[in-house]
Amino acid sequence: EIVMTQSPATLSVSPGERATLSCRASQSVSSNLAWYQQKPGQAPRLLIYDASTRATGIPGRFSGSGSGTEVTLTISSLQSEDFAVYYCQQYNDWPRTFGQGTKVEIK
Amino acid sequence: EVQLVESGGGLVQPGGSLRLSCAASGFIFSSYAMSWVRQAPGKGLEWVSSISGSGGTTYYADSVRGRFTISRDNSKNTLYLQMNGLRGEGTAVYYCAKGSMVRGVNDAFDIWGQGTMVTVSS
Repeated sequence: EIVMTQSPATLSVSPGERATLSCRASQSVSSNLAWYQQKPGQAPRLLIYDASTRATGIPGRFSGSGSGTEVTLTISSLQSEDFAVYYCQQYNDWPRTFGQGTKVEIK
Repeated sequence: EVQLVESGGGLVQPGGSLRLSCAASGFIFSSYAMSWVRQAPGKGLEWVSSISGSGGTTYYADSVRGRFTISRDNSKNTLYLQMNGLRGEGTAVYYCAKGSMVRGVNDAFDIWGQGTMVTVSS
């Protein structure tokens, strides 16, 4: 099983600042990686797939980079609606696995 | 509008059974793999099971293999999860999710339902 490890667990950021979230895979997942955003009481929402492609309707301030075992989600200028939990997920192999999540909170 | 609506959750005793359903609309259901993902209260996301568009190929997490069965009825645009031998760790919100690519194999989950709560307790 591919273990996905996200860091940090919690990220405190002021509105307007940049946020950088990391995700490490225990073995290469190529570019078969997605990022999801989840707000309290809501279902997850796909932000990024194939490591760097924004999903439909996702603002340009969200960007993904990396491949293999190290990927990054960057939010260039945090808006109030971006404070949430973010999960990475690999779909390169079975079982599909998620990271434990990074909570982005208001500083 | 692409939409997934889960139903069938509820309270069940340990060892009991439950069948979840996910009604899909707004897309050609049979062209996409579908999956179930669960989230225990206050915890992260856990993939449970996936099924190909035709229904001919299925995948399961080790934690549910042999107890849960995923299936689909493409004539009814509906995904199912039959859960037998439920345990306390099965308490979670269960989401159905759509694969992002037509006839995709390795693809992300681009549409999620609102989830249905399953509580396993005596």
